[in-house]
Amino acid sequence: AQTVTQSQPEMSVQEAETVTLSCTYDTSESDYYLFWYKQPPSRQMILVIRQEAYKQQNATENRFSVNFQKAAKSFSLKISDSQLGDAAMYFCAYRSDYTGANSKLTFGKGITLSVRP
Amino acid sequence: EPEVTQTPSHQVTQMGQEVILRCVPISNHLYFYWYRQILGQKVEFLVSFYNNEISEKSEIFDDQFSVERPDGSNFTLKIRSTKLEDSAMYFCASRRTANYGYTFGSGTRLTVV
Repeated sequence: AQTVTQSQPEMSVQEAETVTLSCTYDTSESDYYLFWYKQPPSRQMILVIRQEAYKQQNATENRFSVNFQKAAKSFSLKISDSQLGDAAMYFCAYRSDYTGANSKLTFGKGITLSVRP
Repeated sequence: EPEVTQTPSHQVTQMGQEVILRCVPISNHLYFYWYRQILGQKVEFLVSFYNNEISEKSEIFDDQFSVERPDGSNFTLKIRSTKLEDSAMYFCASRRTANYGYTFGSGTRLTVV
């Protein structure tokens, strides 16, 4: 079974600075997807960024980028120019590509990011 | 942008009572999911549903749980006899096809007293 580990429970960043959130995972599969989800106080789950394992290029979405290290099974999220609205819980998630369309997401425990003004 | 809608946003129920959590997925989506998040803990998979049947379920999804898509638009999660430990945030999610991302609803907070 796949596991996702987020070992840092909390992080803090100064507004306008850059922060990196760590995530590692364990799998024996070679084809899969990785995601970062943001959960603000409203508790909604919002997709931040997604990475296909077969792609070597790291995904980027505006101020959000990932460092995907497939051999190390590491998938960190970098937030540049942090804004107050970035304060939230961030979850790393894994999805297998082998079991087809019904594949579930496996989540890490999450990390609480606070942004200091 | 299309949304997944969940109702109610918060439900309080007595232990032993039945509850039904409702979800309206995005209209052209084909794959439906329920996840739950006990306060302060990680999000856990409950069940996936495709082509009017359960395609996968977790150990959490025991005989007390059931899902239904009764009318082609709603997707419901029923808990037959609630326990205190069922108190959690329940998220519905849907996907259009295998290559599309998930869209989550804003969740239903279930409190069992």
